[in-house]
Amino acid sequence: GENVEQHPSTLSVQEGDSAVIKCTYSDSASNYFPWYKQELGKRPQLIIDIRSNVGEKKDQRIAVTLNKTAKHFSLHITETQPEDSAVYFCAASPRTGANNLFFGTGTRLTVIP
Amino acid sequence: SAVISQKPSRDICQRGTSLTIQCQVDSQVTMMFWYRQQPGQSLTLIATANQGSEATYESGFVIDKFPISRPNLTFSTLTVSNMSPEDSSIYLCSAKGGETYNEQFFGPGTRLTVL
Repeated sequence: GENVEQHPSTLSVQEGDSAVIKCTYSDSASNYFPWYKQELGKRPQLIIDIRSNVGEKKDQRIAVTLNKTAKHFSLHITETQPEDSAVYFCAASPRTGANNLFFGTGTRLTVIP
Repeated sequence: SAVISQKPSRDICQRGTSLTIQCQVDSQVTMMFWYRQQPGQSLTLIATANQGSEATYESGFVIDKFPISRPNLTFSTLTVSNMSPEDSSIYLCSAKGGETYNEQFFGPGTRLTVL
């Protein structure tokens, strides 16, 4: 099955700086890569996603890049704000089966005011 | 996006008992899933709830321990059977396949503590 690795496990940045979180996946059949933000005690919220036919996608301060050859994808947050502090999970979905998501181990992002 | 609710939001149970968690989606969805999230950990898929047929379980999870029902396109239940303290966790329902076909949304979770 799919194996998703995520780095770093924790990340602290100054407010206004950029944050980058990286994930790798093992199954070349995966074709859908969402990112979730989970605040303490809350449900995971989908913040952005990318499909394998696209190399980059941007939504305001958030962007995701995908390198299918290397089987890795990254989340980029620019101009970070304290409210960006949360745990971020990447995930990958294989083309076969129920298309369920396999999650990375999570990155705890802290934005220091 | 689909709105997903779960009941109960939390419960404290005694060892050896069972708890059934309900998941309701406000619109018809193709797929429903159940995840477990230990404190400070990632999400682990327990099973895919299939409408009208037996759920599809991931490695390490069995039907006798986690029976699942899905009687229609908007509702599912997960039962945690014969509970032990190791079952203490957050259980999350998830759904996809509504208007935004590939996007997967999560319920608020059920925080279970087994004494």
